[in-house]
Amino acid sequence: SQTIHQWPATLVQPVGSPLSLECTVEGTSNPNLYWYRQAAGRGLQLLFYSVGIGQISSEVPQNLSASRPQDRQFILSSKKLLLSDSGFYLCAWRARPGQGAYEQYFGPGTRLTVT
Amino acid sequence: DQQVKQNSPSLSVQEGRISILNCDYTNSMFDYFLWYKKYPAEGPTFLISISSIKDKNEDGRFTVFLNKSAKHLSLHIVPSQPGDSAVYFCAASSNDYKLSFGAGTTVTVRA
Repeated sequence: SQTIHQWPATLVQPVGSPLSLECTVEGTSNPNLYWYRQAAGRGLQLLFYSVGIGQISSEVPQNLSASRPQDRQFILSSKKLLLSDSGFYLCAWRARPGQGAYEQYFGPGTRLTVT
Repeated sequence: DQQVKQNSPSLSVQEGRISILNCDYTNSMFDYFLWYKKYPAEGPTFLISISSIKDKNEDGRFTVFLNKSAKHLSLHIVPSQPGDSAVYFCAASSNDYKLSFGAGTTVTVRA
């Protein structure tokens, strides 16, 4: 069965510090991978998605970036955090189109607080 | 631009009764719809989905109804149980890659 991991679970970082959140998926190959953010009391905002190694699509202009160095690894980064970057960050995967339905499956999330 | 809207931020229902969650969408290209359940500090869990070629899909206590002409879908939970207390997100897709999510409805099941 497939499993998705995210770490760390919680993170408190000062404004201006760098960020690196990691997500890995087990039990599947060539998945589509996604980064979402949920701000307090809000819905899920898609930040980045990737259909393959090195292929990143950005949905929202901001000071975050994403990378996919390996097939089942997705990293969210920032060089300098802003207060507005605080939120709950979720990684998700779905089977490659043609290999299943549209469902995306989410990791446990990372709670980021920028102080 | 919010293409998927959940206009009720919260819903309170008595245990054993029906919970009805509503969702409206504006993009007529959406052809697949999903519901997710989310507990605090956890990732959303997929509940049930429906393709635009259907108007109903049922899975145990959960049934999703789709009204394409009204661009409306709903999730029925019967009977509601205390463990159903969570935030429910409606999502929609028009292609193979992305989902658009609503803002969520917080369901509280009262004993």
